[in-house]
Amino acid sequence: KAGVTQTPRYLIKTRGQQVTLSCSPISGHRSVSWYQQTPGQGLQFLFEYFSETQRNKGNFPGRFSGRQFSNSRSEMNVSTLELGDSALYLCASSLQDYGYTFGSGTRLTVV
Amino acid sequence: SQQGEEDPQALSIQEGENATMNCSYKTSINNLQWYRQNSGRGLVHLILIRSNEREKHSGRLRVTLDTSKKSSSLLITASRAADTASYFCATEGGGYNKLIFGAGTRLAVHP
Repeated sequence: KAGVTQTPRYLIKTRGQQVTLSCSPISGHRSVSWYQQTPGQGLQFLFEYFSETQRNKGNFPGRFSGRQFSNSRSEMNVSTLELGDSALYLCASSLQDYGYTFGSGTRLTVV
Repeated sequence: SQQGEEDPQALSIQEGENATMNCSYKTSINNLQWYRQNSGRGLVHLILIRSNEREKHSGRLRVTLDTSKKSSSLLITASRAADTASYFCATEGGGYNKLIFGAGTRLAVHP
């Protein structure tokens, strides 16, 4: 059974640009959530999607957005990148009450 | 913001010894989960304990949960060098599929 696939693995962008990250969940998992990990703030919840609907959103500015497609694949977008957006972005898929399976993450560096 | 604290922040032991990590949280929960992360890679789900459970075992792992004290502990018995990683507790509750992580414990197991 394939795991959670995140692409790309690494990304370097310039301040002011925008970026789109992709996540393919485990087959059959309809919930996809996104997390940001930085040395200073640790692991923080960004948002969660279920059946193409955003059900929950963390405390991030509107520059961070996401969506989910009918096949449960999800994308997150960050517009007008800032240096502080440099982080490891993790995607996870889950079945209720069984824990989460995380992808390997996308490491974004903003220069 | 993070749910609570984990201690110790770092732990260094010899192979064969036991490692104990503690986690405290602030609000009511549905469940508490433990994850492992190797060198900035994705998170690996270790164990989930529900709020009505007090203790759970999985292989060399033992997790306890005390909801009256809002705390949990993870015990790894007979540690191996391969257990070297960061360990995070995460709580889930009060909203759809949203994990709130602790700051993590860095475990180093020396051969």
